[in-house]
Amino acid sequence: DTAVSQTPKYLVTQMGNDKSIKCEQNLGHDTMYWYKQDSKKFLKIMFSYNNKELIINETVPNRFSPKSPDKAHLNLHINSLELGDSAVYFCASSQEGTVAPQNEQFFGPGTRLTVL
Amino acid sequence: GENVEQHPSTLSVQEGDSAVIKCTYSDSASNYFPWYKQELGKGPQLIIDIRSNVGEKKDQRIAVTLNKTAKHFSLHITETQPEDSAVYFCAAEKLVFGKGTKLTVNP
Repeated sequence: DTAVSQTPKYLVTQMGNDKSIKCEQNLGHDTMYWYKQDSKKFLKIMFSYNNKELIINETVPNRFSPKSPDKAHLNLHINSLELGDSAVYFCASSQEGTVAPQNEQFFGPGTRLTVL
Repeated sequence: GENVEQHPSTLSVQEGDSAVIKCTYSDSASNYFPWYKQELGKGPQLIIDIRSNVGEKKDQRIAVTLNKTAKHFSLHITETQPEDSAVYFCAAEKLVFGKGTKLTVNP
């Protein structure tokens, strides 16, 4: 009955490889997010999708490409991995309305990516 | 864009003492200020939030105060317990996070 789930939990790979992280939420939320948390614990928004459409795309290298096949899923694909991509990646979701105030985000457990 | 500063970066208290974490923000248009607790190996979890139409909100041992004029808000934890040990994040408008405060409650 996990609200926001991510797979895999750990990912170790070589530089230059391509990898994907998957995220699913069963809360019926319409908005999903990807965050990157670096070694100093700094949390930074990368992308936000609302109803499968990209609404926020912060300054992120175009090697990172989010894909939302439906409202419940937001996957993150990373091409040509670099050492600096090593971090913990968190998926989150929330329910946003057109008029409603901002609402709580629910975070997944994170995916620890290590690039060697 | 919005910028959030959070202090202190580390805080160590004795069990039973109070802990206060402070944040400032830059965008006066911001109206929503959540606080998250992140335990080791887990994702952040919302513990309390406040909207700009109120100055204070309390939930048991946790309280948040907001001063819109000064653009700062604070998290107050009373009667701290060892299980309060974690990293705490403030945020403005939900998506812009402070750099976190590592709280250690010593038994």
